[in-house]
Amino acid sequence: EDQVTQSPEALRLQEGESSSLNCSYTVSGLRGLFWYRQDPGKGPEFLFTLYSAGEEKEKERLKATLTKKESFLHITAPKPEDSATYLCAVQGLFFIAGGTSYGKLTFGQGTILTVHP
Amino acid sequence: GAGVSQSPRYKVAKRGRDVALRCDSISGHVTLYWYRQTLGQGSEVLTYSQSDAQRDKSGRPSGRFSAERPERSVSTLKIQRTEQGDSAVYLCASSRHGTSGVEDTGELFFGEGSRLTVL
Repeated sequence: EDQVTQSPEALRLQEGESSSLNCSYTVSGLRGLFWYRQDPGKGPEFLFTLYSAGEEKEKERLKATLTKKESFLHITAPKPEDSATYLCAVQGLFFIAGGTSYGKLTFGQGTILTVHP
Repeated sequence: GAGVSQSPRYKVAKRGRDVALRCDSISGHVTLYWYRQTLGQGSEVLTYSQSDAQRDKSGRPSGRFSAERPERSVSTLKIQRTEQGDSAVYLCASSRHGTSGVEDTGELFFGEGSRLTVL
C-alpha cells in the first residue's frame, strides 16, 4: 500500500526565515508526486507535480525537489501569506485484469506552516 | 463559477441516518474523486469514477460509501447508516484526464468540502 509521511507536523517561522518541508513516500510505482496548499475552510490547491528523481519545480518563494524516496518543499524568505497547510500526495500505479494501469492519489497528513510577521 | 462546488457545506446528521453530499465539477473534466479528510488520518480516497462509470469503492468502510454520477459533471456521495466516526470533511476533486493507460491524471481541482458531523 502506498504511504506518505510528512514532517514536521507543524512549523513556525519568522518572516524571511527560510526552511524546508519533507515528504517521504513509499509507492509500488511512482507516476507523480504532488504538492498542494490548503487554507482553512478551503479545499487543497494544486502547486506542483514532480515525475522523476532530480526534477525541480519553482513558483514564487516555493521550490519542490524530488528524490527516489522523498520530496522537499523549500520556502525561501517566507511571508505571512504563505501560512497554510501543505499537503504532499503520490500517484501510484496498480493493475487490474487486462493490464490497464490506474493511478490513485495518496495524501500525507500535511505540514501546518505558520509564518509570523 | 468555473470551479468545483460542493453542497451542503455543513451537514449534521443523527447516527444511523443516510446522508447524501453533492459535487458539481468542472465541465469537461473526466474523473471525479471523493476524499475524506480528518485531523487524525489526513486525506484518504473513498471512491472515484471516470465518465459515467463508477470505478472504485475503495475506502473504509467501503460497503456504506458509494458514489453516483447522474450527469458527467455531477457526483453524489452517499453514506449509509452513518456512524460517529464518519464525522469529517468530505472533499470532491475532479481531473481533466482519465485514470487508465498512459494518460496523465495531472492536477486535481478540489471543492471547498462538506463538513459532516454525526451525532
